[in-house]
Amino acid sequence: DTEVTQTPKHLVMGMTNKKSLKCEQHMGHRAMYWYKQKAKKPPELMFVYSYEKLSINESVPSRFSPECPNSSLLNLHLHALQPEDSALYLCASSQDWASGRERFFGPGTRLTVL
Amino acid sequence: QKEVEQNSGPLSVPEGAIASLNCTYSDRVSQSFFWYRQYSGKSPELIMSIYSNGDKEDGRFTAQLNKASQYVSLLIRDSQPSDSATYLCAVNVPNDYKLSFGAGTTVTVRA
Repeated sequence: DTEVTQTPKHLVMGMTNKKSLKCEQHMGHRAMYWYKQKAKKPPELMFVYSYEKLSINESVPSRFSPECPNSSLLNLHLHALQPEDSALYLCASSQDWASGRERFFGPGTRLTVL
Repeated sequence: QKEVEQNSGPLSVPEGAIASLNCTYSDRVSQSFFWYRQYSGKSPELIMSIYSNGDKEDGRFTAQLNKASQYVSLLIRDSQPSDSATYLCAVNVPNDYKLSFGAGTTVTVRA
């Protein structure tokens, strides 16, 4: 099973709202990632979690706050977003981040910020 | 120079033909190479991974890797309309968390 699940599929929020994106994998992967993808662009890395600890923050604004409650779950908390943050948010997982093994993406959450 | 470059699209091929996608990378120590397929509005789906020189076949897909020339390609044989998508080449360097993507090549298979 190479499935990563994400909820919700779609999210519309105002600039003053607080919302959360959720991601889950049951492949026993120890690395999990958040990506942002704008139309006609490749995915852009935001955060890397390794063994439930935040390893990499790619200079992401603090209005995005990741959380890893356990080895299977990854959340992305959103607060005071801007319209330019509207994008497809992708969660991914891999066995670990150093071995170069396959990275599997979830179906994504389509976020619209009004 | 971009880290990963793909042949510019869009690429239009007739149904039943071979679609050929190319990707070059700049870092000689790259060790892992992936092709993702992404349908419009959907997430990237891993379709091929290749780690050593040569060809790797999976159904109608063949990935070819040449580390000396720093290129990796994807052939889609007997192209079907369902193959119409954007194909992303991705490359990983040892002990690096980054997965470097090319800009993608959009393929349209016309009936």
